Amino acid sequence: GDSVTQMEGPVTLSEEAFLTINCTYTATGYPSLFWYVQYPGEGLQLLLKATKADDKGSNKGFEATYRKETTSFHLEKGSVQVSDSAVYFCALSDLGYQKVTFGIGTKLQVIP
Amino acid sequence: KAGVTQTPRYLIKTRGQQVTLSCSPISGHRSVSWYQQTPGQGLQFLFEYFSETQRNKGNFPGRFSGRQFSNSRSEMNVSTLELGDSALYLCASSTREDQPAREQYFGPGTRLTVT
Repeated sequence: GDSVTQMEGPVTLSEEAFLTINCTYTATGYPSLFWYVQYPGEGLQLLLKATKADDKGSNKGFEATYRKETTSFHLEKGSVQVSDSAVYFCALSDLGYQKVTFGIGTKLQVIP
Repeated sequence: KAGVTQTPRYLIKTRGQQVTLSCSPISGHRSVSWYQQTPGQGLQFLFEYFSETQRNKGNFPGRFSGRQFSNSRSEMNVSTLELGDSALYLCASSTREDQPAREQYFGPGTRLTVT
C-alpha cells in the first residue's frame, strides 16, 4: 500500500536558520503530494502541493519539489521564524483521489 | 465561507461507553473524511463518505462506524470504548473527487479522552 516516511523530530532551529524536512513516499501510480501544517490546538492546513514530476509547490516562503526519480518531496525554507513552530505533515493522494496517506508528522521548534 | 466545524471539541468518556462525534463540512463540499491522530501513530485514516456512501475505509475495527446525511454532515460513532481510543479525531472535507491534487480542509478536531 501507499506510505509516506518523514522524520518525527522534534527539529529545533534558531530563528533565520535554513529548514529542510525530508519526505519520501511509496505509491502505486502517480500520486499528488502535499505538505500540511498543524499549529498548536488547531486542525491541519494545506501549506503547498504538487501534482506532477518536477512541479514545485510554494507558499509563505516554503518550497517543495516533486522528485519522481527519488520518490521524494522535501520541504525547505530559507529563513525560519518563531511563528513557523508547528507540526508539518507530508501526504500523498492516490490516483483515485479517494484516500490521503499522511506521514507521522515532524515537529519544528524555532527558538529566538 | 465558514470552515469545517466539529462538535464537541472535547469529550471525556468511560471504557465501555459509546460516543458520537459530528462534523459539518464546508458548504458545497460533498466528501468528508475522518482521521484518528495519536502521538505514536500520527494520522490514521478511518473512512471517507461521499454523497452518503462510504467510499473508502481504513484498518480500524468494526467498533468504528460513520454515516453521512443528505446535507453532507457526517457523524462518527465509536462503540465499546477502549483506553486506546483516546485521540484527536479530525474531520476533513473536500470538493469534487475528480479534481487532481484534491485538497482537504480540516476541522479543529474533537479531543476524546477515555478513562
